[in-house]
Amino acid sequence: AQKVTQAQTEISVVEKEDVTLDCVYETRDTTYYLFWYKQPPSGELVFLIRRNSFDEQNEISGRYSWNFQKSTSSFNFTITASQVVDSAVYFCALSEEKAAGNKLTFGGGTRVLVKP
Amino acid sequence: KAGVTQTPRYLIKTRGQQVTLSCSPISGHRSVSWYQQTPGQGLQFLFEYFSETQRNKGNFPGRFSGRQFSNSRSEMNVSTLELGDSALYLCASSWGTSGSTDTQYFGPGTRLTVL
Repeated sequence: AQKVTQAQTEISVVEKEDVTLDCVYETRDTTYYLFWYKQPPSGELVFLIRRNSFDEQNEISGRYSWNFQKSTSSFNFTITASQVVDSAVYFCALSEEKAAGNKLTFGGGTRVLVKP
Repeated sequence: KAGVTQTPRYLIKTRGQQVTLSCSPISGHRSVSWYQQTPGQGLQFLFEYFSETQRNKGNFPGRFSGRQFSNSRSEMNVSTLELGDSALYLCASSWGTSGSTDTQYFGPGTRLTVL
């Protein structure tokens, strides 16, 4: 069965520091998709990034970057030069192509606190 | 384009009652998924509907049910409420035509408190 683990429960940083969030996943499917979502105090989950299992190219989008490594089943996410507005809970999620319909399996989340 | 909307935003019920939550997807999206978020269990998948048909269901008791209308709006119902049903219920929408590969966009959630 699919599983997503976020070992870090809470990270506290000072503004402008970089923050790296770890995510490890388990799946038997050969085609799958990985996501990062942000949940600010308002509660709504905000989509950040998505990768498919065939594309291990790491990219940078603004202050966000990610490191996808199939060999270690990891999909880590980095916020560069953190800002107070980045304070939120961040969730890593997995969807499998063979699953019927849309189903996301989420990790437990990592709370990020950025102090001014 | 308007995002996913959920009503009501807050709800207080007592044990044994039933509740209906509503979700309107992003215009054009035909898939609606529901998730329950609690401090103890985290984010858990409830079910997903596409074109008025349930395509997938999570491990929840039969007290949790849902439906989707022809305009893609969806409702979920919880009967015989228990204290443990207190949670944030999140709805997400996507195009749905790619099955499990779509990116899901979430609404603000309905916070249900059962007393």
